[in-house]
Amino acid sequence: ELKVEQNPLFLSMQEGKNYTIYCNYSTTSDRLYWYRQDPGKSLESLFVLLSNGAVKQEGRLMASLDTKARLSTLHITAAVHDLSATYFCAPSGGSQGNLIFGKGTKLSVKP
Amino acid sequence: GAGVSQSPSNKVTEKGKDVELRCDPISGHTALYWYRQSLGQGLEFLIYFQGNSAPDKSGLPSDRFSAERTGGSVSTLTIQRTQQEDSAVYLCASSLASDSIIRFAGHRYHNEQFFGPGTRLTVL
Repeated sequence: ELKVEQNPLFLSMQEGKNYTIYCNYSTTSDRLYWYRQDPGKSLESLFVLLSNGAVKQEGRLMASLDTKARLSTLHITAAVHDLSATYFCAPSGGSQGNLIFGKGTKLSVKP
Repeated sequence: GAGVSQSPSNKVTEKGKDVELRCDPISGHTALYWYRQSLGQGLEFLIYFQGNSAPDKSGLPSDRFSAERTGGSVSTLTIQRTQQEDSAVYLCASSLASDSIIRFAGHRYHNEQFFGPGTRLTVL
């Protein structure tokens, strides 16, 4: 059974700083998604990573995937307040094609 | 439609009552998933529909939960005799096809799941 661990679970950052969120998963998965969730809102897809070494960037966020290490990272560059949200990683690997979600990282960016 | 829609957006009910939650997937999407998000359990998978096929119910948390999908489109998740631990946000997602179908066909492309806004269920 696929298990997903994200860390940290809570992250308080100052604006302008850099940080990385880590996502480890326990068994082989052929794709991994990163989602953003704002309070009271649904999940917004940020990135899908399909192969080993894949790197995707959008604005101040960059996601990467190492399938051999079963590790994905979400790197935040020069954080701004608008990035405050909860971020989930989700490898595909459920028996019915469902996603298995990490517990999420609640990011708070303070001025 | 433009996206996945769910209704109601909020539902408050008394313990022991039955509730029905509705999901309207993106037009043309054959795969439909129900997930539940709660403080204690995070995001957990409940059930999946591929077209009109009978679903695998093994992910449902108890026999009080049931789901159906009519005409391969709209889905309803029903919770009978609600309990306080059923309080959660119930999220529905749809995708063009299921991952298993993609693998069987020998194609490999990302098959994104688009999530609806969710139904917040509160059981008093």
